[in-house]
Amino acid sequence: SQQGEEDPQALSIQEGENATMNCSYKTSINNLQWYRQNSGRGLVHLILIRSNEREKHSGRLRVTLDTSKKSSSLLITASRAADTASYFCATVPTGNQFYFGTGTSLTVIP
Amino acid sequence: DTEVTQTPKHLVMGMTNKKSLKCEQHMGHRAMYWYKQKAKKPPELMFVYSYEKLSINESVPSRFSPECPNSSLLNLHLHALQPEDSALYLCASSQDFGETLGYTFGSGTRLTVV
Repeated sequence: SQQGEEDPQALSIQEGENATMNCSYKTSINNLQWYRQNSGRGLVHLILIRSNEREKHSGRLRVTLDTSKKSSSLLITASRAADTASYFCATVPTGNQFYFGTGTSLTVIP
Repeated sequence: DTEVTQTPKHLVMGMTNKKSLKCEQHMGHRAMYWYKQKAKKPPELMFVYSYEKLSINESVPSRFSPECPNSSLLNLHLHALQPEDSALYLCASSQDFGETLGYTFGSGTRLTVV
């Protein structure tokens, strides 16, 4: 399977804390994307990082990519209760469509 | 319009019923996708349409029948489903197939087969 693996599977933090989730994948990639999904809803594209980039920021989101280790991390700073959702990485193998990781369920406690 | 609209939001059907899921986008995207998602699992690709032609069928059982009547509309026809087909069905679109800069997803149809 080309599916990425995410850890932790579930994460529970207090509001205001930072949340970090990790994604590991198996094949060479074109880019890696992170998506958010509120319970039972569609996925929302958060951020994309290309294979030649190492770090990217968007608001309270920081994504890193280490292609030598085939891993990425998503950091959400100063978390809010509204950040409670599932987060999926999606890897884009070179010249192909993408595959979703197993997901991290984040709960931010007010 | 930057949305993908899916109807209905919820559907309950018996194993002998025939029903259809609908997906619509007006962003001029030429690739459209059906995904199936079980609880606490990632979405799994079912079908890809590119320029209204079926490009990928991920070995989906024939009781699921996709249709792309025009560039804005994607249907999924359901017949003789099993209870294990109960899931969230997600539609997505992108500018082109193979354009992997980000998909736009609909909110999904929650399907329950009884």
